[in-house]
Order: sequence, then structure tokens, then C-alpha cells
Amino acid sequence: QVQLQESGPGLVKPSETLSLTCTVSGGSVSSGSYYWSWIRQPPGKGLEWIGYVYSSGSTNYNSALKSRVTISVDASKKQFSLKLSSVTAADTAVYYCARDSLAYFDYWGQGTLVTVSS
Amino acid sequence: NFMLTQPHSVSESPGKTVTISCTGSSGSIASNYVQWYQQRPGSAPTTVIYEDTLRPSGVPDRFSGSIDSSSNSASLTISGLKTEDEADYYCQSYDSSNHVVFGGGTKLTVL
Repeated sequence: QVQLQESGPGLVKPSETLSLTCTVSGGSVSSGSYYWSWIRQPPGKGLEWIGYVYSSGSTNYNSALKSRVTISVDASKKQFSLKLSSVTAADTAVYYCARDSLAYFDYWGQGTLVTVSS
Repeated sequence: NFMLTQPHSVSESPGKTVTISCTGSSGSIASNYVQWYQQRPGSAPTTVIYEDTLRPSGVPDRFSGSIDSSSNSASLTISGLKTEDEADYYCQSYDSSNHVVFGGGTKLTVL
């Protein structure tokens, strides 16, 4: 059974960089045809796709966030990571990591709340 | 930018049937597959429909999906409503750059 778990600071100051890691158990980030994805949900609002990294390392990002986002994979650690720079209060959200099986998001982490505040 | 529009909320009684729509802003919604996710409060979303009409293992056949090209929309239909179906539902598809796009979500109330 594949499991995903997000980790990282729950509080980030404005203008700084948000960094989160997703650890994958029960599977490998370097094998199979999967897009390892980040999705966020501001409190009380809908889902927003941030982007993904493929097992090969290639990436695809939401156009609205592309200038601030970096997603990378570390196969040796069975992890993939999100970095979002120059954050503002608008980036406050629950951040989910998820596996896109190329048909649908079949596994999700439990989500982690990141608050941007001084 | 490609967008998916859903009604903000729908409500229906237990045992009845409800349909949630998801309308594409441009192009043909039939060009890319549509998925539907259920999200209960405090939990991550789970898939109820993928590739327009397919159900993942474990999802009851009370859930069904369809595409209507004439209205450029996808629909999620839930029959025999149960109180446990009360949740937020999101449609999801892709734009021309293979970027994931979510609808704004629909709150289903079963009363």
C-alpha cells in the first residue's frame, strides 16, 4: 500500500521560501509512470494544482505560480519536494502531495497546513 | 485560461438522485478526461470517477459520470443518496498544456 506523508514548517514569514517534503512509502518515486504532484487548498476554498515532477525529473507547473515554484525528486530518499519562494498571506493553505497515475490522483498525503505570517 | 465551473452547492434528500455539473470554459470538454473527487471535512480528496465514467475499486455503483458535448459539460450523478455522501465534490481535467485544472467545488448537502 502506497502512503505519502508531507513534512515541513507550519509557519513561514512573508517574502521567505516555503519548503515541504513528501516521503513515499510502499512504492518508489523513480519507477513506474507517475507524476508526483503538489496541490494546495486555502482555508475554506477549493483545490489548486501547483505542479508535478515526473520520475525522470522533468517538471510541469501551474502557470500562475511557475515563477516561484520548484519541484524536485530525490529517489534515494524516496522523497519529492516543493519550494515556493516570495510567499505572501495568499499562499496560506493546506498543502497536499499526491501521486498522479496518469488517470487520476490515486494516493494523497494527509495534508499539512502552512501559514504565512510574521 | 481553461476553467471548469461547478455549482456552489446542491442539496437533496436521502434516497434521491442528485447530479452535479462541471462546465468547460473553452474548447471541447471531451478532449481530455474528467475526474471527480469527493472531499469530506478535514480529509484529503478521494477519487469517485476517473476517465469520465470509470469508478475506482471500492466506489459504489451509485456514483456515475458522463459527458455531454452539446453543453460542453461533465456530470457526476449520485443515486440512492446516503447521509455519508455529504461532502464537497470537485471535477478535474487538463488544459492544452497538460496542466491540471480543478473546478471550484460543489458542496453536497443530504438532508
